[in-house]
This record gives sequence, C-alpha cells and structure tokens, in this order.
Amino acid sequence: KNQVEQSPQSLIILEGKNCTLQCNYTVSPFSNLRWYKQDTGRGPVSLTIMTFSENTKSNGRYTATLDADTKQSSLHITASQLSDSASYICVVRGSTLGRLYFGRGTQLTVWP
Amino acid sequence: DVKVTQSSRYLVKRTGEKVFLECVQDMDHENMFWYRQDPGLGLRLIYFSYDVKMKEKGDIPEGYSVSREKKERFSLILESASTNQTSMYLCASSFFRGNNEQFFGPGTRLTVL
Repeated sequence: KNQVEQSPQSLIILEGKNCTLQCNYTVSPFSNLRWYKQDTGRGPVSLTIMTFSENTKSNGRYTATLDADTKQSSLHITASQLSDSASYICVVRGSTLGRLYFGRGTQLTVWP
Repeated sequence: DVKVTQSSRYLVKRTGEKVFLECVQDMDHENMFWYRQDPGLGLRLIYFSYDVKMKEKGDIPEGYSVSREKKERFSLILESASTNQTSMYLCASSFFRGNNEQFFGPGTRLTVL
C-alpha cells in the first residue's frame, strides 16, 4: 500500500535553533517528492521539489534531502524564526497516473 | 503570480442544506482539485478534474459532487450537508504537464450544525 509517514507529529523549538523533520514513504513507482508549508488558516505552499536523481535541495534556510533507495526524505530548518511556525507536509507523487500521496504533516511551533 | 481563490473563508450551514463551495484559478491550469483537511488525517482528495466537464472521484467522494463548466472554475457541492462534513476544504490547481506543482487556495472552513 502506498503511504507517506511523517515524524514527529508535532515539534516545539526555540527561536534560532535548528530542526529536522522526517518523511518516509512506500510509494512506488516514484516520480517526485515535495515539501509544503502551511501557515495557520492558509493553503499549503510549495517549499521544494525533489526528483529521483536529487539528493539535496535548498531554499533559503530550508534544506531538503532525499534518499530514494531507503525512501526517506528530511527537511532541515536552520536558525528557526517565529514565522517558521506552521504545518509541514510531505507529498509524494507516484509515476503511475501521477497520483499524489500526502503525509499528515508535522506541526512546528517556534517559541521566542 | 498564481492565484487560487475560494468563495468563502468561513461558512456555517445547517444539516440537510445544499452547500456550494466555489474555486477560481487565474493561471489557465487544466487540473483542479478539491480536498478536505481534518486534524490528524491530513489532506484527503474528494474529487478532481483535468478538463472542462470532466471529473474523477478521489478517495472520499461520498456525499459530494462537483461541477466544472468553465476551465477556471471548479465547484464542490454538498447535496445535503451533514455534521460529519464539518471540515476545512481546500481547492488546488495545476498544469496537466510539468512538475505538477499544485497551487492551493486559502481554504473554506465549513461548519455544519
């Protein structure tokens, strides 16, 4: 069964600290993996997209990694800011019919 | 700048009412989607459409229908609202080809009393 599992479910960190969010998937065949950020009361916004051949991709303070062999991805946030408080959703696209599989998200709270 | 708009941010309806949720996108996207988002369950696909007048069931279509009469507009219809349809509803759109990034609207929080 194609699934996407995210951990932790929720996370609280202090402003300025780093953190890493995890995404494990079983989707096969795999097309790409995308991390979305969803602020409270808003729709998700794409942060990064990674394809099979990419290991690391950065977007400012956000760095995503992908290990296609172990079917794991991580999102690392450096020097966290209060505005990083949001839900982070991992979405995997299967290459069969382009179906999307959503993780349940990690709720990140950054405290001052 | 891609824009996906939804007709209401908050909506309160009574059980048994017919409810229309409207979504409009301005990027000439072929694909449009309706999701519901519930705490602990993440986003679940209700219906999607890849062309005008075309529709496909997602994972949880029961109790919902959709309409796509124009390319830019995709409507979600609750024929007879029930309390278990209280949720956040998100609309999204994407191009048919390319990396298929989905652009989301701000969401409609529907409460059915």
